[in-house]
Amino acid sequence: DAKTTQPPSMDCAEGRAANLPCNHSTISGNEYVYWYRQIHSQGPQYIIHGLKNNETNEMASLIITEDRKSSTLILPHATLRDTAVYYCIVVSSGAGSYQLTFGKGTKLSVIP
Amino acid sequence: NAGVTQTPKFRILKIGQSMTLQCAQDMNHNYMYWYRQDPGMGLKLIYYSVGAGITDKGEVPNGYNVSRSTTEDFPLRLELAAPSQTSVYFCASSYPETRRAFFGQGTRLTVV
Repeated sequence: DAKTTQPPSMDCAEGRAANLPCNHSTISGNEYVYWYRQIHSQGPQYIIHGLKNNETNEMASLIITEDRKSSTLILPHATLRDTAVYYCIVVSSGAGSYQLTFGKGTKLSVIP
Repeated sequence: NAGVTQTPKFRILKIGQSMTLQCAQDMNHNYMYWYRQDPGMGLKLIYYSVGAGITDKGEVPNGYNVSRSTTEDFPLRLELAAPSQTSVYFCASSYPETRRAFFGQGTRLTVV
């Protein structure tokens, strides 16, 4: 699975959009980008995933660049409850690839 | 639905003691995983299972054992506990065709 690079920390004002970047320059054609978050040492929570098209759900939007070498997770209106560590993970969905490799992620602090 | 349930939530073990961390899921997921998370670090895969009767090692299996006799349950056994096994343990499950995993709330283990 391809490696990812994320900034260690970010701040965002409450009510503003939080844009979390992720670099995955070695991603291959059958690898998906998944985003999880972990709030205060709870179990990680799935947010969104995508292959090459932009995706949106009730929690967030995922923007993947055309060359697929980077992506951005967007929380449109950050609240204090969005303070968490956000993990960007690249993984193949094919058989034989089971591990979700969690790096250190980005610690997002939403400021009142 | 309960999702993924882990017991106990907290445990203190003495060096050399043994224990079993329980994990149960009610989503009929084939894939189940055990991760550990040390303070300030990402999650590391200990063992995983792709179905009842099938288990395999992850990144950090030493000192642990697992079994999978049913689809629902995936217990993790610690034999001869050591201080290096002080960590938070997360169990997760998913369908085979996706890496959208559902995590339990964790078991916080301290070995003294």
